[in-house]
Amino acid sequence: QVQLQQWGAGLLKPSETLSLTCGVYGGFFTGYYWTWIRQSPGKGLEWIGEISHGGRTNYNPSLKSRVSMSVDTSKNQFSLNLISVTAADTAIYYCVRGGGPGGSPGGDHWGQGTQVTVTS
Amino acid sequence: QSVLTQPPSASGTPGQRVTMSCSGSTSNIGSNTVNWYQQLPGTAPKLLIYSNYQRPSGVPDRFSASKSGTSASLAISGLQSEDEADYYCATWDDGPIVVFGGGTKLTVL
Repeated sequence: QVQLQQWGAGLLKPSETLSLTCGVYGGFFTGYYWTWIRQSPGKGLEWIGEISHGGRTNYNPSLKSRVSMSVDTSKNQFSLNLISVTAADTAIYYCVRGGGPGGSPGGDHWGQGTQVTVTS
Repeated sequence: QSVLTQPPSASGTPGQRVTMSCSGSTSNIGSNTVNWYQQLPGTAPKLLIYSNYQRPSGVPDRFSASKSGTSASLAISGLQSEDEADYYCATWDDGPIVVFGGGTKLTVL
């Protein structure tokens, strides 16, 4: 059974960079798109973007200027960087196994979530 | 403001059948498949329905879903107390990006 386990800093100051990593255990890494989704009380669930095992990316236009994603196939891990964070980026961030463009929207296996709070 | 529209709340008594809707447009639901997710308090969303009506292994057949035109719906029959949760619909939209509904909070009375 595939499991996603994520980690990263949970408390940031405005203008800092959010960095999260997600490890994939018990399943194939290739053949999937690896996704980040966040959830905040004010905006609900928001799709941040996705990256294929080969590094092809697809970002939400609303965040594209600040987002970058990467994969490390040797470790079955993928990462999210979000620069210049503000209080509006405060949310629970989830890593998800997705299906790629036109595939399973929202994915099938989700990580446990990381609460990220941006405060001065 | 979510791209997909869901009623904020729904309720039912144990054993009852409840339905909830998810409304979109031709660029999202009208052109793509819909997934449904169940989120229990304090946990990550869990895939409940994929490809409009398919149930992943382990999801009881009390849960069913359908899609017609630019709307989708989720039905829960034989309502149980453990079904009390938030339910979200999701699909692709122009971009392509994934869009979600605002969620329906189900209360089991």
